Amino acid sequence: DSGVTQTPKHLITATGQRVTLRCSPRSGDLSVYWYQQSLDQGLQFLIQYYNGEERAKGNILERFSAQQFPDLHSELNLSSLELGDSALYFCASSVAGGPDTDTQYFGPGTRLTVL
Amino acid sequence: LAKTTQPISMDSYEGQEVNITCSHNNIATNDYITWYQQFPSQGPRFIIQGYKTKVTNEVASLFIPADRKSSTLSLPRVSLSDTAVYYCLVGDIGGTSYGKLTFGQGTILTVHP
Repeated sequence: DSGVTQTPKHLITATGQRVTLRCSPRSGDLSVYWYQQSLDQGLQFLIQYYNGEERAKGNILERFSAQQFPDLHSELNLSSLELGDSALYFCASSVAGGPDTDTQYFGPGTRLTVL
Repeated sequence: LAKTTQPISMDSYEGQEVNITCSHNNIATNDYITWYQQFPSQGPRFIIQGYKTKVTNEVASLFIPADRKSSTLSLPRVSLSDTAVYYCLVGDIGGTSYGKLTFGQGTILTVHP
């Protein structure tokens, strides 16, 4: 158990819909990261937040957005869903994004299925 | 971010030592080398991290030569439960790249009885 929690565990929805994935970081961690893992693309970094502010952006589509709240939990919003968005979505957290090495701890993931 | 190259798959047997080598020719001065393990449908799990020479923890060792253009993850006496995908990542995970880890294709390690 990494200490990172994600809800829901599974999500089944239809094309065109919008969903929200939730992540609670480990206690004390200020950074939250979102990743997408699909069979054909592997594990892709989407976005990072640090203490409520967006810090880095990866291969995140414009239909996707995220935010980190004052209590440090984060939500990933996926809209206008397409079949290709079906994937495992992982959240990770770390203490900080500072100059020292910083281990990321991953949650169990949310499996999204778009029908 | 430095690109990494690992073998796509490896096979071993219980009780053997397994060495997985990762090539990262364009590693930068500030980059660290990190290895993660991932089981099917689970999030990656941190194994070990290093900058140079040798690092050892309770589960693995990481060997990094002086030129840092490659690294080797060593798993002593593997068991069936070590069957997983192993990812080598190179990056300035806490510094200017703001923790933007790039996962390669990983190495599928299969441990046989």
